[in-house]
Amino acid sequence: NAGVTQTPKFQVLKTGQSMTLQCAQDMNHNSMYWYRQDPGMGLRLIYYSASEGTTDKGEVPNGYNVSRLNKREFSLRLESAAPSQTSVYFCASSSQGWDTGELFFGEGSRLTVL
Amino acid sequence: AQSVAQPEDQVNVAEGNPLTVKCTYSVSGNPYLFWYVQYPNRGLQFLLKYITGDNLVKGSYGFEAEFNKSQTSFHLKKPSALVSDSALYFCAVRDRPGYSTLTFGKGTMLLVSP
Repeated sequence: NAGVTQTPKFQVLKTGQSMTLQCAQDMNHNSMYWYRQDPGMGLRLIYYSASEGTTDKGEVPNGYNVSRLNKREFSLRLESAAPSQTSVYFCASSSQGWDTGELFFGEGSRLTVL
Repeated sequence: AQSVAQPEDQVNVAEGNPLTVKCTYSVSGNPYLFWYVQYPNRGLQFLLKYITGDNLVKGSYGFEAEFNKSQTSFHLKKPSALVSDSALYFCAVRDRPGYSTLTFGKGTMLLVSP
């Protein structure tokens, strides 16, 4: 029962470096999401993928790109990291339907940009 | 835009006492409301949701929430708090019909003292 798995759990980058956060789910969910969590700001949606083959911007997409590689995997890429992207990143998944909203979260990836 | 507000950064309660964590919402149309809990260094976990029906919704770990349309509130409650309930609690609202993208509040830290 792995659920949602994120890698890496911790990463330190220098300004301008690039990296990709990986996410995989084994619950056969259609929808996947990337959120960032910052103190006092709750969670903010970066990108989401309602179904395989589609991606859409959320509230704070600038500086990020995503790839829905297949139904299981949804990656988040930082092309040129900035200190403002220091945060904890959460991947989540859900089944798709009008009455859902129950998201299953990974354990997070803590990113520090120096 | 749909939004939720959690007016308290922190709630302190003694073990055995009832607890309430407050949430108010602003939506157009029918609200789809949720509560999630986050334990230290973990991802968020779904507690309960209100879609339609009874105003008192029961969820995991003995928690319940009361939906009040006239006060636009969705407060989380528990009759008798446990030390193990100490965690960060998030209220959320579904922000698009047919999708599970959620807008989260800033979170309320619940501290239950022995």
